[in-house]
Amino acid sequence: DTAVSQTPKYLVTQMGNDKSIKCEQNLGHDTMYWYKQDSKKFLKIMFSYNNKELIINETVPNRFSPKSPDKAHLNLHINSLELGDSAVYFCASSQGRVQPRFGPGTRLTVL
Amino acid sequence: GQQLNQSPQSMFIQEGEDVSMNCTSSSIFNTWLWYKQDPGEGPVLLIALYKAGELTSNGRLTAQFGITRKDSFLNISASIPSDVGIYFCAGRTSGNTGKLIFGQGTTLQVKP
Repeated sequence: DTAVSQTPKYLVTQMGNDKSIKCEQNLGHDTMYWYKQDSKKFLKIMFSYNNKELIINETVPNRFSPKSPDKAHLNLHINSLELGDSAVYFCASSQGRVQPRFGPGTRLTVL
Repeated sequence: GQQLNQSPQSMFIQEGEDVSMNCTSSSIFNTWLWYKQDPGEGPVLLIALYKAGELTSNGRLTAQFGITRKDSFLNISASIPSDVGIYFCAGRTSGNTGKLIFGQGTTLQVKP
């Protein structure tokens, strides 16, 4: 039962490229998130959407643009990739007091 | 900004030992969560705490929401090799969709 899925699982790309990561949840949750986990394993929220509306937008470079076409999907597009963008990006979803459930992560490596 | 201080940073223990880790904050939280992350996977929720003083168990795991609402601890009893992983505390200051702030993680290694 795939609850929160992300594609791709691994992404290796050159500096300056534009890439997208996709997330889908089949839990019927109304809130979705993007988190970034750095090389020291620190998890930091980037964005949160509730019913397709942006509700949390942390201090993230505007090269990062989330898009939620519907409640079940939250994609992340990154323009002009930089070395410092290398990290593991996690999608998560939640509903009411059901706490965030995380996807398997997308490991992004920028060369 | 809000921060959670999680300790210890890492632990290397013998199978069968009990483990304790904790999180403290200068801010008051209304929800404390404990997650475990296995290598190459996303964090998985272990325990959720909603009231000051609440003590909750999940198998060999026990967690408490501190009375001051600024701290929480997680205990693991009789550790086994599959307990290996990174344990994260996380806190939320408001509502159910408010920002979830994570601690730095405790890396647990268990020697069989």
